[in-house]
Amino acid sequence: SAVISQKPSRDICQRGTSLTIQCQVDSQVTMMFWYRQQPGQSLTLIATANQGSEATYESGFVIDKFPISRPNLTFSTLTVSNMSPEDSSIYLCSVEVGDLGYEQYFGPGTRLTVT
Amino acid sequence: GIQVEQSPPDLILQEGANSTLRCNFSDSVNNLQWFHQNPWGQLINLFYIPSGTKQNGRLSATTVATERYSLLYISSSQTTDSGVYFCAVERGSGGTSYGKLTFGQGTILTVHP
Repeated sequence: SAVISQKPSRDICQRGTSLTIQCQVDSQVTMMFWYRQQPGQSLTLIATANQGSEATYESGFVIDKFPISRPNLTFSTLTVSNMSPEDSSIYLCSVEVGDLGYEQYFGPGTRLTVT
Repeated sequence: GIQVEQSPPDLILQEGANSTLRCNFSDSVNNLQWFHQNPWGQLINLFYIPSGTKQNGRLSATTVATERYSLLYISSSQTTDSGVYFCAVERGSGGTSYGKLTFGQGTILTVHP
């Protein structure tokens, strides 16, 4: 398994500002993933972050809006830029670990409200 | 992309009742997981089950990969079982799909005392 922490756990931000979310995992992992969960909705993958390379973004998500850093094998950040109320969501990071299979584990999430 | 459908969307039970949640998916998968999201938003891993049957206490799951569905069984439900249950799959083509989970819309379970 993996133990994942996220900071901040929640925040209330003004529109037009940016917020950087941190994700720390207790073991080295090759890939980290960032998901968004809009209110009352399911989870949607934003991007995949590999150490030492550019993050790859899913359709509908762009680097200018959601820049990602992956400076080492245990840490990643996601920035939500130029926020609007539509960005109010829970943002979760995850990692995939396992020897016989690749089970994903999720951090506790960052609950963002944009006013 | 792969489609994941969960049913029922909502389920209300009395404590002690049993239930079955279903997840249908449209393509072959490398990974299938069941999660429980508690009221605080935390996703709790229930099962990693791309095929076969597993049991963990009052919960069990079965995935029939050839028929593209998975079932989650909850027996003797308790109020603490309330929350949202998600099925998530990783498409089986590998390559650019590696590690990318597609989630169903979830089943909202409410267990009354």
